[in-house]
Amino acid sequence: TQLLEQSPQFLSIQEGENLTVYCNSSSVFSSLQWYRQEPGEGPVLLVTVVTGGEVKKLKRLTFQFGDARKDSSLHITAAQPGDTGLYLCAGGRSSASKIIFGSGTRLSIRP
Amino acid sequence: GAVVSQHPSRVICKSGTSVKIECRSLDFQATTMFWYRQFPKQSLMLMATSNEGSKATYEQGVEKDKFLINHASLTLSTLTVTSAHPEDSSFYICSARDPGPKSYEQYFGPGTRLTVT
Repeated sequence: TQLLEQSPQFLSIQEGENLTVYCNSSSVFSSLQWYRQEPGEGPVLLVTVVTGGEVKKLKRLTFQFGDARKDSSLHITAAQPGDTGLYLCAGGRSSASKIIFGSGTRLSIRP
Repeated sequence: GAVVSQHPSRVICKSGTSVKIECRSLDFQATTMFWYRQFPKQSLMLMATSNEGSKATYEQGVEKDKFLINHASLTLSTLTVTSAHPEDSSFYICSARDPGPKSYEQYFGPGTRLTVT
């Protein structure tokens, strides 16, 4: 059973388009991270959200944590080919607990 | 920023042999490290939590006698795949927990590609 479900699993869009990736759970998380992973490399942390309703921006990327801290979204504006990769959300039940990874969203941006 | 290294980055071994993978935190001390396994086009699956000076905690379904974890110092954890078989071929990634107030964050190594022939 996947505690964190991501949707969509795959997404291929044209450069310049906008997109949103969702990360949903029935469980409450004390923190949630978003990572981007390229083939053959480890995941790279993009952002951490810890407060319900929190919104963080990282250039063209906007991250939101749901009010109930059960879900999160990642919105990319004007996607670029460099945004291509595997996007993973991951949540922790407490600051000392292990983190659980979502199922992943594979994003491909066509030039 | 916090940097985690892994060695080797790629290893090919014959079936029945053992392989050791090292995970090092380069500029910070990590009391807790994690080992993950990732199959092609899939997400990361947590194998075990490695605590410095104590036994590792394995996830359900992970054979502790096959995947030996040692965390002998605050900067080094090792994963040994014993009697490797082709089905053990995978991408193994380690991470280290942030030692400061952001202990909910982890820093990942670059991964080790293991191929068992």
